[in-house]
Amino acid sequence: AQRVTQPEKLLSVFKGAPVELKCNYSYSGSPELFWYVQYSRQRLQLLLRHISRESIKGFTADLNKGETSFHLKKPFAQEEDSAMYYCALKDTDKLIFGTGTRLQVFP
Amino acid sequence: KAGVTQTPRYLIKTRGQQVTLSCSPISGHRSVSWYQQTPGQGLQFLFEYFSETQRNKGNFPGRFSGRQFSNSRSEMNVSTLELGDSALYLCASSVIPGANYEQYFGPGTRLTVT
Repeated sequence: AQRVTQPEKLLSVFKGAPVELKCNYSYSGSPELFWYVQYSRQRLQLLLRHISRESIKGFTADLNKGETSFHLKKPFAQEEDSAMYYCALKDTDKLIFGTGTRLQVFP
Repeated sequence: KAGVTQTPRYLIKTRGQQVTLSCSPISGHRSVSWYQQTPGQGLQFLFEYFSETQRNKGNFPGRFSGRQFSNSRSEMNVSTLELGDSALYLCASSVIPGANYEQYFGPGTRLTVT
C-alpha cells in the first residue's frame, strides 16, 4: 500500500544547527514527492517538490529510491523555520501525507 | 489573486445532523481536492473533483460526499455526523490535476461534532 512515514513527531534544535526531517515512503512505481509546511496560523503551503530539484528557504530534499527516502535538510536552522512539516506522495493525482513533524528552533 | 476560500470557518453540529462545507478555488483553477485533518490521523484525502466530475475518492464512508459546480466551486457534505468527524477540513485547488500543478490550500473549516 502507498504510505508516507515521518518517524519524528517533534524535532527541536538550536538556531544555527543542521536540521534533517525524515521521510520514508512506500510506493509501487515512480514516486512524486513533496514537502509541505504550515507555519503558525498560516495555511498549508508547498515548500518543495523533488522533480524541481530546487532549494527553497535553504531547504533541500533528495529522493533516494534505494532507501525509499525523501529527507528534508537545512544546514543552518533559523527561528523562522519553526513550523509543522509534512512529507507527501502523489498517487494518481491525490496526495498521501505523512503525519507531520513539528520543528522547533530555539534561539 | 485571491486565495482559496472556505466557508464557514467554524462549525458546531450535534451527532446525527448533516453539514455542508463550501470551497471556492483560486480563479482559473478547475481542480478541487478535499482533505480531513485530525491530530490522530493527520491529513487524509477525501476526494478530488475536476470539471464537475469526481476523479478520485479516499477511504471514507459513503456519508461523505461532494460535488463541483460549473464555476469550479465545490461543496462537501457529511450526513449523520459522528463524534469522530470532528476535524479540520481542508480544500485545495490547482489549475488542473497532476503533480506538475501545485495545490493551493485554503484555511480550512473547523467542524466540531458534539
